Amino acid sequence: AQKITQTQPGMFVQEKEAVTLDCTYDTSDQSYGLFWYKQPSSGEMIFLIYQGSYDEQNATEGRYSLNFQKARKSANLVISASQLGDSAMYFCAMRGNFGNEKLTFGTGTRLTIIP
Amino acid sequence: DTGVSQNPRHKITKRGQNVTFRCDPISEHNRLYWYRQTLGQGPEFLTYFQNEAQLEKSRLLSDRFSAERPKGSFSTLEIQRTEQGDSAMYLCASSQGRAVNTEAFFGQGTRLTVV
Repeated sequence: AQKITQTQPGMFVQEKEAVTLDCTYDTSDQSYGLFWYKQPSSGEMIFLIYQGSYDEQNATEGRYSLNFQKARKSANLVISASQLGDSAMYFCAMRGNFGNEKLTFGTGTRLTIIP
Repeated sequence: DTGVSQNPRHKITKRGQNVTFRCDPISEHNRLYWYRQTLGQGPEFLTYFQNEAQLEKSRLLSDRFSAERPKGSFSTLEIQRTEQGDSAMYLCASSQGRAVNTEAFFGQGTRLTVV
């Protein structure tokens, strides 16, 4: 079974500062993928960034980067230069292999950017 | 193609009534997933299809829930004899392929309120 743990229910960050959202995972699969999604109040899940278990470099997408530490089973999302529009729920998710192909989500972190 | 479409966006029903939701995936996607999300929680997996075949059902999916994907195109999720505990956001997602790096695209969800 796969499990995602997000231990920060809510975070408040000053605009333009960087923020790190924590995510740890557990799986017995050797090959797996880690995803971060943003969910604004409208409800839609917006894909942000992906990291594969065999990727040697940390993934980056614009202001988003993923701090992947495989030995610690952590996949933290870093948002640089936060903006007011970043206020939303953020979910970490993973997909495994052969029977674990569905996305498994954590409980999320509500991020609020303060002007 | 405008992405994954879900209808209706909102549904209010009386306890004991049956409801049906529809999901139209991105046209070339062979996989379709249903998730349920309650307030303050991450999406919980319900079931998924590869083309018209239902490959997995969560233990969360009681006998009152049924999902279909005729001809491997749109999908419907029916809840019979609704209960107040069924109140939630029901999310549909689609993807192409089963690789770990496959991104899932989500619809905007159907918010169900059982009164």
